[in-house]
Amino acid sequence: AQSVTQPDIHITVSEGASLELRCNYSYGATPYLFWYVQSPGQGLQLLLKYFSGDTLVQGIKGFEAEFKRSQSSFNLRKPSVHWSDAAEYFCAVGPFSGGYNKLIFGAGTRLAVHP
Amino acid sequence: DAGVTQSPTHLIKTRGQQVTLRCSPKSGHDTVSWYQQALGQGPQFIFQYYEEEERQRGNFPDRFSGHQFPNYSSELNVNALLLGDSALYLCASTITTGSYGYTFGSGTRLTVV
Repeated sequence: AQSVTQPDIHITVSEGASLELRCNYSYGATPYLFWYVQSPGQGLQLLLKYFSGDTLVQGIKGFEAEFKRSQSSFNLRKPSVHWSDAAEYFCAVGPFSGGYNKLIFGAGTRLAVHP
Repeated sequence: DAGVTQSPTHLIKTRGQQVTLRCSPKSGHDTVSWYQQALGQGPQFIFQYYEEEERQRGNFPDRFSGHQFPNYSSELNVNALLLGDSALYLCASTITTGSYGYTFGSGTRLTVV
């Protein structure tokens, strides 16, 4: 079955500290992988995506993610967290081909940032 | 460049009623998908419309239906509302033949009382 697991429901970090949000996926084919961020009451903003090639992808707001096929993981990282990064983060997976495509989301990780 | 526009922003309905939510895709996008996001959960795929037809559907009952218009805008209809239908409904658009990437709207918050 296709699924995405985000093991951490809540994470709290201090401002300036490094961050890693975990994401594991189960997918029968080569996936497209995404990280989205959602501020309270808002829609989803794309942080970064992985299609192929270099397994370390850079995104907006200083985020990066590393695709590890052997571990079925796509963890999101940021070297120094800012207070404005407090939000909910969703990992998602989709089929390799375009056209008929739906995203499967994890349950999300809520990030709190202490000053 | 306008992104995905959804209306209304918030809506309160009574159990058993029907509701229609609207979505205007990003300029140049031809495919619209709808997602339901219950409180504390990730978005769940409802269905996708392309060329005015439902192309793919998630695990949602027939009470959920949709439509896509020639200008690519879309509607989501939910009949016989249940309390459990209370959620944030997100619309996402993309280009079927282009690079893979969805743009999401800010959503419609539906509360069923």
